[in-house]
Amino acid sequence: QQQVKQSPQSLIVQKGGISIINCAYENTAFDYFPWYQQFPGKGPALLIAIRPDVSEKKEGRFTISFNKSAKQFSLHIMDSQPGDSATYFCAAGGSGSARQLTFGSGTQLTVLP
Amino acid sequence: EPEVTQTPSHQVTQMGQEVILRCVPISNHLYFYWYRQILGQKVEFLVSFYNNEISEKSEIFDDQFSVERPDGSNFTLKIRSTKLEDSAMYFCASTTRGISGNTIYFGEGSWLTVV
Repeated sequence: QQQVKQSPQSLIVQKGGISIINCAYENTAFDYFPWYQQFPGKGPALLIAIRPDVSEKKEGRFTISFNKSAKQFSLHIMDSQPGDSATYFCAAGGSGSARQLTFGSGTQLTVLP
Repeated sequence: EPEVTQTPSHQVTQMGQEVILRCVPISNHLYFYWYRQILGQKVEFLVSFYNNEISEKSEIFDDQFSVERPDGSNFTLKIRSTKLEDSAMYFCASTTRGISGNTIYFGEGSWLTVV
């Protein structure tokens, strides 16, 4: 019940295209859903996060869409750039779990120039 | 921007040896964590630490692991007798109970290789 399922495992997008990564969760106690970006050899860096009281959050080219009833959330990267090439992890956390995060399995995004 | 710092960045150790990984969390943060990432796999929670004690730990965090906050700034992860399968990147993280809520900041990691 603690799992967060992420897809696709890898994604190749042309420069300027839209990258979409999806995640699904089971535990309804989760109330915080961040996305992390990780470059090789680096730690995960927070990209954007959402709470279940909103259905969408946008920051620059990055948008999270959240569907509480379906227990799904997704990351959309608009106008994808080669510099966006990285591994993206969704995660979920809850105030009742000492704020620990459960991560998805990651999506390796490659944006072709 | 404040950051979580970790040392060493890379350590090679022989199987059975003790290893200590060190972290300096962001100064006003109250919750501290260790996560690990085996090469090519997802980030996995190990342990959380609050108010000078362990809050939660995962199944991975067995008796070979321990954490400590020896002073007001450092947060350490000790592996008592390393095994080959402990080879991974270990990330320290921290957060505060402020308005930003669960924003958890990660360090750049300590890459542990057990040979």
